Amino acid sequence: NAGVTQTPKFQVLKTGQSMTLQCAQDMNHNSMYWYRQDPGMGLRLIYYSASEGTTDKGEVPNGYNVSRLNKREFSLRLESAAPSQTSVYFCASSASRMNTEAFFGQGTRLTVV
Amino acid sequence: GIQVEQSPPDLILQEGANSTLRCNFSDSVNNLQWFHQNPWGQLINLFYIPSGTKQNGRLSATTVATERYSLLYISSSQTTDSGVYFCAVAWGGADGLTFGKGTHLIIQP
Repeated sequence: NAGVTQTPKFQVLKTGQSMTLQCAQDMNHNSMYWYRQDPGMGLRLIYYSASEGTTDKGEVPNGYNVSRLNKREFSLRLESAAPSQTSVYFCASSASRMNTEAFFGQGTRLTVV
Repeated sequence: GIQVEQSPPDLILQEGANSTLRCNFSDSVNNLQWFHQNPWGQLINLFYIPSGTKQNGRLSATTVATERYSLLYISSSQTTDSGVYFCAVAWGGADGLTFGKGTHLIIQP
């Protein structure tokens, strides 16, 4: 099983450009999440989707939008990238909200110049 | 929100040594996980342990939910154990996981 797959693995953007990070899971999980990790810190939640058809803001949602395309896929969009969005982005999924084990993708390293 | 504090922040050990990493949290939790972030940045699930004790090879973990802490034990350390160890919790006030800042472990040969 692939688990949680993210694309791309690396990306360099110029300030003001847009891009979409893709995430897919093959574990039939209901809940999916996007996190960012900045140097020397743990991960912080950007957006989540508790179930197909729903999305909600997490701790640091400004500058991002998300789409839960179907049960498998959850994308993160940067409409106008800023240097402050330089980070490593992780997608995760879990069977249900809060009480079940979360599994993470391999991460996307994004640099905005 | 909930506070998750990990200690020590940094730890340097010789191969073969044992270590204990601690995670304190400020409120009741529904879920607690330990992760290892390897030098390539991958997050590897170690334990899903909201309470009790679990063991997996040289690693074991204990969560005492009533006292709001969890411990990760690593025995007979190997250089491949190097990396950052994160504790993360899920609690009633929020979706997703709240992470500590991690313990950076370096195992020297």
